[in-house]
Amino acid sequence: NAGVTQTPKFRILKIGQSMTLQCTQDMNHNYMYWYRQDPGMGLKLIYYSVGAGITDKGEVPNGYNVSRSTTEDFPLRLELAAPSQTSVYFCASSFGGMRGANVLTFGAGSRLTVL
Amino acid sequence: GDSVTQMEGPVTLSEEAFLTINCTYTATGYPSLFWYVQYPGEGLQLLLKATKADDKGSNKGFEATYRKETTSFHLEKGSVQVSDSAVYFCALSVNDYKLSFGAGTTVTVRA
Repeated sequence: NAGVTQTPKFRILKIGQSMTLQCTQDMNHNYMYWYRQDPGMGLKLIYYSVGAGITDKGEVPNGYNVSRSTTEDFPLRLELAAPSQTSVYFCASSFGGMRGANVLTFGAGSRLTVL
Repeated sequence: GDSVTQMEGPVTLSEEAFLTINCTYTATGYPSLFWYVQYPGEGLQLLLKATKADDKGSNKGFEATYRKETTSFHLEKGSVQVSDSAVYFCALSVNDYKLSFGAGTTVTVRA
């Protein structure tokens, strides 16, 4: 059981380049999320999806795009990378459900550096 | 807005010491509360949760009690081990899709 798989684990980008972080889950979860983790700042929600074909913005969506064409996949696209996007990115998924039932399963993270 | 404040780290302890990590919250609704743990090089995983006032969540020797009167959800463990070295995140949820996380507390346990 793979859970949530993210690729790549590490990437260095130059300013202005674009890339896609891949995320796949095999648990048939409805909800999927992208968070970024900056030192001392906790996790900030970038985008989330409640099902295939549905996406919505989180707290810090600027500079990112997502799509959800299948239940399993939720790629995060960075357009025109900037140094402020240097961070560790986590994909997560869950069955959803009211409050306490919504337990997230996280991927191992993708460390992105923009120089 | 909904938010979580947890004690700053890093925290360094000796094995078998008592661990407390403070967490307080602000929420407009009636939240569920969580502790997630992140071991080195891994993603976060759920440690424990509580969904209503006075509930106690527990797992792996860790405990936290949902205190509505003090808006707190402090994490405790009576005797830590080296394997407990990790980053601990307090989080809350007031709806069915979004969690708000604290900044995380790094705990290092020395043998």
